[in-house]
Amino acid sequence: GQQVMQIPQYQHVQEGEDFTTYCNSSTTLSNIQWYKQRPGGHPVFLIQLVKSGEVKKQKRLTFQFGEAKKNSSLHITATQTTDVGTYFCAGPPHRFNKFYFGSGTKLNVKP
Amino acid sequence: EAGVAQSPRYKIIEKRQSVAFWCNPISGHATLYWYQQILGQGPKLLIQFQNNGVVDDSQLPKDRFSAERLKGVDSTLKIQPAKLEDSAVYLCASRRVRRDGNYNEQFFGPGTRLTVL
Repeated sequence: GQQVMQIPQYQHVQEGEDFTTYCNSSTTLSNIQWYKQRPGGHPVFLIQLVKSGEVKKQKRLTFQFGEAKKNSSLHITATQTTDVGTYFCAGPPHRFNKFYFGSGTKLNVKP
Repeated sequence: EAGVAQSPRYKIIEKRQSVAFWCNPISGHATLYWYQQILGQGPKLLIQFQNNGVVDDSQLPKDRFSAERLKGVDSTLKIQPAKLEDSAVYLCASRRVRRDGNYNEQFFGPGTRLTVL
C-alpha cells in the first residue's frame, strides 16, 4: 500500500543550526503539502508544491519537490526556538483521490 | 473567518463503550476529513466527504467506526464499541474545493483526545 516516510524521525539542533527533513513516497504524488504541528497543537499548513522539481521559499524555509514527484525536502536555515514542532509532508497519490500524511520529523531546538 | 470547530476536546471512556465526536467545518468548505492521530505518528485518514457524499473510507474500520455528514455541513464520527487501541487524537479538517481539481490547504480543528481505559 501507499507509504510516505520521513527521515529523520527526530532531530535535535542548537539554535542557529540548519535543519533538513526528507520525505519519500512509495508512489508518484500529484502534489505535496507540508504541515507543522506544535506540541499539543494541530497541523497547520505551510506550503504546497505541485510541479516536478519545484522549489519554494518562505523566509528561512526552503521546500523542494523531486523531479519524479516521489520525494520532497524541507530545509530550515538558522533554526530558532519558534521552529520547534513536528513537520509532516502529505499528499495525494497521482490519480487517486486519497490523502496520506508522512510519519513526521520532530524538531527540537535548544536555545 | 471562524476555524474548524470540534467537540468535545477530551473524552475518557472504558473499552466497549460508545463515543461520538462532532465537527463543524469552515463555512463553504465542501471537503471534510476525519483523521486519527496516534501519539508519535502522522495523521491517518479515516474518511473523506465531499459535501454529504463519501469520497474515501478505505481506512475506516467499519465494524466499529461510522461517520456521517448530513446536509453537507457538520459531521459526526462514532466508535462503537471502543477498543484500547482507539486511544488517539481525532482530527477533523476541511478544505475548499478548487475549480481546477487541484488540492489546496486543509484547515484542521483542535482535535478530540480520546482515552480508552
